[in-house]
Amino acid sequence: DTAVSQTPKYLVTQMGNDKSIKCEQNLGHDTMYWYKQDSKKFLKIMFSYNNKELIINETVPNRFSPKSPDKAHLNLHINSLELGDSAVYFCASSHLTRSNEQFFGPGTRLTVL
Amino acid sequence: AQSVSQHNHHVILSEAASLELGCNYSYGGTVNLFWYVQYPGQHLQLLLKYFSGDPLVKGIKGFEAEFIKSKFSFNLRKPSVQWSDTAEYFCAVNAQNFGNEKLTFGTGTRLTIIP
Repeated sequence: DTAVSQTPKYLVTQMGNDKSIKCEQNLGHDTMYWYKQDSKKFLKIMFSYNNKELIINETVPNRFSPKSPDKAHLNLHINSLELGDSAVYFCASSHLTRSNEQFFGPGTRLTVL
Repeated sequence: AQSVSQHNHHVILSEAASLELGCNYSYGGTVNLFWYVQYPGQHLQLLLKYFSGDPLVKGIKGFEAEFIKSKFSFNLRKPSVQWSDTAEYFCAVNAQNFGNEKLTFGTGTRLTIIP
């Protein structure tokens, strides 16, 4: 009974390629997030969507484009992948007005060769 | 903007030892505070959280944390650690402002428990 799921779990690709990571939550939350965890385990927010609208957009290259087709899904598309994009990407969700507790997905380990 | 400092980068303890991991935050307004744990190869799980009320909060697996507002601190404690507590621990904060719900994480503390 997965709460926040991500696909794929692992993604290995060449520099310059375009790839997508998908995220789905079945918790009935209205807000979803993408975080990036680098090789030193540092976690940083990238984007946040509330009811399909972008509410947080940190300083992220515009090669990264999130898309939220509905409240339960937040996908991350990355164009022209670079070596520095290698990281673990975590999706999370929460209910914006009820609680700030965020529930995290299992992560997607992206390796750019 | 809020920021979080975790002073201990790597802590090594023997089983049954007591644990305290430091967390200090910087923000002028009201905050929510969290401790998350990441076991090797796994995703983040919430250990405990503080929103308001009793500053001593109890979480899962015997962990607790105390919010000391005057010190801007939210240290994590456990009286007796187990080998299974080996993991990465992250302190996080978010400001209680609608529309600013991002979690700002500390750099994490790696905890290694020696059997």
